[in-house]
Amino acid sequence: GAGVSQSPRYKVTKRGQDVALRCDPISGHVSLYWYRQALGQGPEFLTYFNYEAQQDKSGLPNDRFSAERPEGSISTLTIQRTEQRDSAMYRCASSRSTDTQYFGPGTRLTVL
Amino acid sequence: AQTVTQSQPEMSVQEAETVTLSCTYDTSESDYYLFWYKQPPSRQMILVIRQEAYKQQNATENRFSVNFQKAAKSFSLKISDSQLGDAAMYFCAYRSGTGTASKLTFGTGTRLQVTL
Repeated sequence: GAGVSQSPRYKVTKRGQDVALRCDPISGHVSLYWYRQALGQGPEFLTYFNYEAQQDKSGLPNDRFSAERPEGSISTLTIQRTEQRDSAMYRCASSRSTDTQYFGPGTRLTVL
Repeated sequence: AQTVTQSQPEMSVQEAETVTLSCTYDTSESDYYLFWYKQPPSRQMILVIRQEAYKQQNATENRFSVNFQKAAKSFSLKISDSQLGDAAMYFCAYRSGTGTASKLTFGTGTRLQVTL
């Protein structure tokens, strides 16, 4: 595919469950970013990778959030013991190193 | 830390008219990039235009152009000949030019309505 893909597109879970959100970047893009967007707000940075190395995780809100990109391509953002405040749109973006970031369609997470 | 401010929560423009969306930012860096992204009702994030801070010439993409005032730290988006399909949320974003790659910092967005 030509663009960034994310799965699932929608996820409804119960409080306390773990969720894993997947991002498949544009082929050849070495940098991958995760953002979270609350309704009516701009996206907020969570973490990013260059190849498989996590370069910055300063935006992860707490230790329930983690991300990996083991082979430098697909990335997974995991939220453990979900809480209602975790409900948001989770967006992935990729770029060629310092180039423009292109966003995927997002995963809308709802925690009941 | 860099901040991005969009002071217009909502704007309205008539079809075929011109509208300008405002954005200001705060940074101590001299090398950086600025972007406008569009978010239609589908909630996809679509790049509209980008500007490198070292370039004095304002970026233009078809009906979209920017007015980049580096000293004033202002980066407004002008949409000419507005179309119904331009109705969306518009986000201004900042990225540092230092380092190998870095995060985008977004404003809170401006919702643009286009009327007949």
